[in-house]
Amino acid sequence: DAMVIQNPRYQVTQFGKPVTLSCSQTLNHNVMYWYQQKSSQAPKLLFHYYDKDFNNEADTPDNFQSRRPNTSFCFLDIRSPGLGDAAMYLCATSIMGKNTEAFFGQGTRLTVV
Amino acid sequence: AQSVAQPEDQVNVAEGNPLTVKCTYSVSGNPYLFWYVQYPNRGLQFLLKYITGDNLVKGSYGFEAEFNKSQTSFHLKKPSALVSDSALYFCAVRRPGGSQGNLIFGKGTKLSVKP
Repeated sequence: DAMVIQNPRYQVTQFGKPVTLSCSQTLNHNVMYWYQQKSSQAPKLLFHYYDKDFNNEADTPDNFQSRRPNTSFCFLDIRSPGLGDAAMYLCATSIMGKNTEAFFGQGTRLTVV
Repeated sequence: AQSVAQPEDQVNVAEGNPLTVKCTYSVSGNPYLFWYVQYPNRGLQFLLKYITGDNLVKGSYGFEAEFNKSQTSFHLKKPSALVSDSALYFCAVRRPGGSQGNLIFGKGTKLSVKP
């Protein structure tokens, strides 16, 4: 089935050690998003790509970066994870210009030790 | 500014009873409204959306929602709750000019359905 896949499901990283989270999609959607969801809070948009155009939210820390090498893949890089970056990270996709809903992956739960 | 409010942190319902999860919104222009459900340690699953048209929107798993423009509400409903409906429910609004995944979420409502 077409879907949004996030790897890994659970990631443990050391304080200050760079970490990369991965998202792939088989939907051929032109927009991909990264959301951060801390415990008991609403998901918060970090940034999104429309094709190759990167759109950063104004309050996303510089510590968070993203890459989209092709339509199918998008990566979230955290350059120096802090304890406050522990969260669920959700990838989503959608089609620009269509009224279809966004599709979310299962999420990656990041623990910082 | 666009915003979504879910006034209840938790809703408790007995199995078989009707359920309502409340959502109000504040938007400029026509609202694009969504409901998503999240099970523990999982991503978000789409339930239903209102873009335009009929105010009563039917979605997945027997859920429906009523768009009320005068009350700026988009409450989620189900006639008969199941224990398996227990989860975290998020109401969301699309940002103006944004794509369908560019969403502002409410803080979520935890639904607990007891046998």
